[in-house]
Amino acid sequence: EAGVTQFPSHSVIEKGQTVTLRCDPISGHDNLYWYRRVMGKEIKFLLHFVKESKQDESGMPNNRFLAERTGGTYSTLKVQPAELEDSGVYFCASSRLGGLTDTQYFGPGTRLTVL
Amino acid sequence: GDSVTQMEGPVTLSEEAFLTINCTYTATGYPSLFWYVQYPGEGLQLLLKATKADDKGSNKGFEATYRKETTSFHLEKGSVQVSDSAVYFCALRGPDMRFGAGTRLTVKP
Repeated sequence: EAGVTQFPSHSVIEKGQTVTLRCDPISGHDNLYWYRRVMGKEIKFLLHFVKESKQDESGMPNNRFLAERTGGTYSTLKVQPAELEDSGVYFCASSRLGGLTDTQYFGPGTRLTVL
Repeated sequence: GDSVTQMEGPVTLSEEAFLTINCTYTATGYPSLFWYVQYPGEGLQLLLKATKADDKGSNKGFEATYRKETTSFHLEKGSVQVSDSAVYFCALRGPDMRFGAGTRLTVKP
């Protein structure tokens, strides 16, 4: 079974540009999550999809961030326009059931650097 | 709100030394607790988990026990290896996942 995959692995952009990150969850996992780790700090929750619907987007920092999951399969996270403080590692995770004891499986992350 | 406090690193040990990485949590209710590990150049991997009080999670020689009375989930290993060098994250599962800041472990031969 393939794990969670993310693309690209690294992205370097200039302030004001747009970047789109992609996440492919484990097949059959309805729950998809985005997280971010900034500057070696703790990993913080951004949002949670159940299939194509946003279940919880309370962690999204501002309206420059837009997440989509059309068709309930892969998800994209767009940052437009990017700011310096958006630099960090963006992780995607997926889980089958989404309950409190359900394990989330993480992708390798996308390292975003905004110059 | 729910939170996790993790021992700050970095931690440097010699091979075969005993490892403890402290983790305490604050939560309403009884969340599931996890340890994730990130090896160099790789993503987060689930190391072990515990879903209720007094449960012990174990994997690859690592252990952690869910202690409700001390709200702790400390990670231990009796004899570390160079290959255990990685960043370790403690996490709890409430409405969403909450992570500690991560502890970087370096094991020297």
